[in-house]
Parts: sequence; structure tokens; C-alpha cells
Amino acid sequence: QSALTQPPSASGSPGQSVTISCTGTSSDIGYYNHVSWYQQYPGKVAKLMIFEVSKRPSGVPDRFSGSKSGNTASLTVSGLQAEDEADYFCSSYAGTNNYVVFGGGTKLTVL
Amino acid sequence: QVQLQQSGPGLVKPSQTLSLTCAISGDSVSSDSATWNWIRQSPSRGLEWLGRTYYRSKWYNDYADSVKSRITINPDTSKKQFSLQLNSVTPEDTAMYYCARSGHSYGYWAFDIWGQGTMVTVSS
Repeated sequence: QSALTQPPSASGSPGQSVTISCTGTSSDIGYYNHVSWYQQYPGKVAKLMIFEVSKRPSGVPDRFSGSKSGNTASLTVSGLQAEDEADYFCSSYAGTNNYVVFGGGTKLTVL
Repeated sequence: QVQLQQSGPGLVKPSQTLSLTCAISGDSVSSDSATWNWIRQSPSRGLEWLGRTYYRSKWYNDYADSVKSRITINPDTSKKQFSLQLNSVTPEDTAMYYCARSGHSYGYWAFDIWGQGTMVTVSS
């Protein structure tokens, strides 16, 4: 069972926006601004999409954005494209006992 | 372009030691602005961070509580790689294992470069 809670699935039509949530606790997401989001295609390696809650690595489209409120972080994908169909999972720093915790992943389907 | 190339056996017997290596190209295991991590992924446990090694004037290691008594992560500067050893494995340790880099531009808790993954099965 993952430490961070994500919905198992999300979907949207091309051009629409979809938001994926990631709920933790006051010991991880709620306390630290070290939330990251990853995109993973089946059988492929994960790709960093968002770091430090809302920052995008170079090369990641600005259609991807991140935010946080309380113990919940969110990834929003705007202007959905077919290529966005993938698994997305979140992570957060959780202090020097647990260090990094992950979410269980959300499968995003582009209808 | 930074790349991580993993190697190691895909089958380990229960109670034995799981050993994997991650070769680094395009960066250095001795970099003072990166950390070198092992992460695993399984259907039952999801993604799990196992530990890391990094150099800041001397070598440091951090390990997850869940494996702390069984894990060792070692850098090998001469071979430009780092390794994972997990002792006394059980079928619960069956997972895809990844090495990953964090640091540089993205902070120490975001993993920007990943190895290709090694599926390790613990079975007799």
C-alpha cells in the first residue's frame, strides 16, 4: 500500500484539462515543498515532469502544471493530447525517517 | 547526455543476496551536487525508495527504514558506478529495481535520470 494516495484512473478528451490528485499527510506533502510528478509509459522508464511542487524541467511542455494545497498535491494536464496517455505518479520528501514516499499511480486515458 | 546502465542477475534464491550495479556515463558518482539512488517497483508495494549514496567531502548513505538492516549501497569511483546489495531476500523483494539520479538542477528529492530497470525475481 502506497504512502501517498492517488486515484487509480483519470480520463479526458483531447483538448480538455485533467487534474490528478495526490494526498499525503502533514509529515510529507503538507510539510515539505518537495513534491514531484513522473510520467511512465508501459514498460518504459519514468520521466520527471514536475519537481518542487510546480517547477518544470526543461523540455516538459507547459501544458503540465503542478500545485499543492494542504496535504494534497495536484498535477494538471491542459490541452490533452493522445501522447499524454500514460501512468502518472507522485512523490514527496517525508523527512529523515521515510525520506521519499510515492503514490500508487494514476492511469490517464485520453478518450 | 547522462545515462545509467544497470546490470545484475534477474533471479535470486530466497535468503541469498541481491546484487545490482549501476554504471554512470556523463556524470560522476563523486559529484558534489548529485545523489545516487535505488528505487524498486512492484504491483503489491508500488514504488519504494530504498536508499542513496552521495559525496560531500566524504561519502554518505541514507536508507529506508523498511530495508535498513539488509541494504548496502556502495560507490565505486574507479569504475564510475554504484551498487546495491540487499541481503536475506524473500519473495516480497521480487520487483523491478531502478537506479536513479537526483540533484543538480532539480533538487535532491526529484529523480531526473533513471536506469533501464532490472526485474529481479526471488524464487528457489
